[in-house]
Amino acid sequence: KNQVEQSPQSLIILEGKNCTLQCNYTVSPFSNLRWYKQDTGRGPVSLTIMTFSENTKSNGRYTATLDADTKQSSLHITASQLSDSASYICVVRSGGYNKLIFGAGTRLAVHP
Amino acid sequence: DTGVSQNPRHKITKRGQNVTFRCDPISEHNRLYWYRQTLGQGPEFLTYFQNEAQLEKSRLLSDRFSAERPKGSFSTLEIQRTEQGDSAMYLCASSDRDRTLNEQFFGPGTRLTVL
Repeated sequence: KNQVEQSPQSLIILEGKNCTLQCNYTVSPFSNLRWYKQDTGRGPVSLTIMTFSENTKSNGRYTATLDADTKQSSLHITASQLSDSASYICVVRSGGYNKLIFGAGTRLAVHP
Repeated sequence: DTGVSQNPRHKITKRGQNVTFRCDPISEHNRLYWYRQTLGQGPEFLTYFQNEAQLEKSRLLSDRFSAERPKGSFSTLEIQRTEQGDSAMYLCASSDRDRTLNEQFFGPGTRLTVL
């Protein structure tokens, strides 16, 4: 069964600190992996998209990594800001399908 | 703003009533998707259109649910005889098949509460 699992389920950090969110997937065939940020009550917004051949991709303070061999990805947030408080969702697209397989998300709270 | 828009943003209804949601995709996008998201979970795929053709439907889309995209532009999602279990956020997304990696852009969602 195609699944995307994320950890931790929730995380609290202090403003200015770094954090890393994890994503493990069992999706086949694999097309690409995306990280989305979803503010409360809003739709998800794409942060990064990585294909099989990409190991790292950055978007400002967000850096995503992908290990296609172990089927793991991480999202590292540097120098966190209060506005980073949101759910971060890992999404895998399975080749040949026009649908995405979503993880349940990690809820990040950044406190002053 | 040329992003994906959804209306209404919130809908409260009584069990047994019918509701209809609208999604206006990004204008040049030919692909449109509907998802359902419950609290604390990621979105779940419901259905997918390419232009006006509905090409895929999830098993989650029971016979009480129907989606249309009559002219290949906006789409509607109707739920008949709503049940309390239908309470969720309904998200619409669109994409352009010619764009690299077929990135989907999401609307703000319609939050449905069935009393």
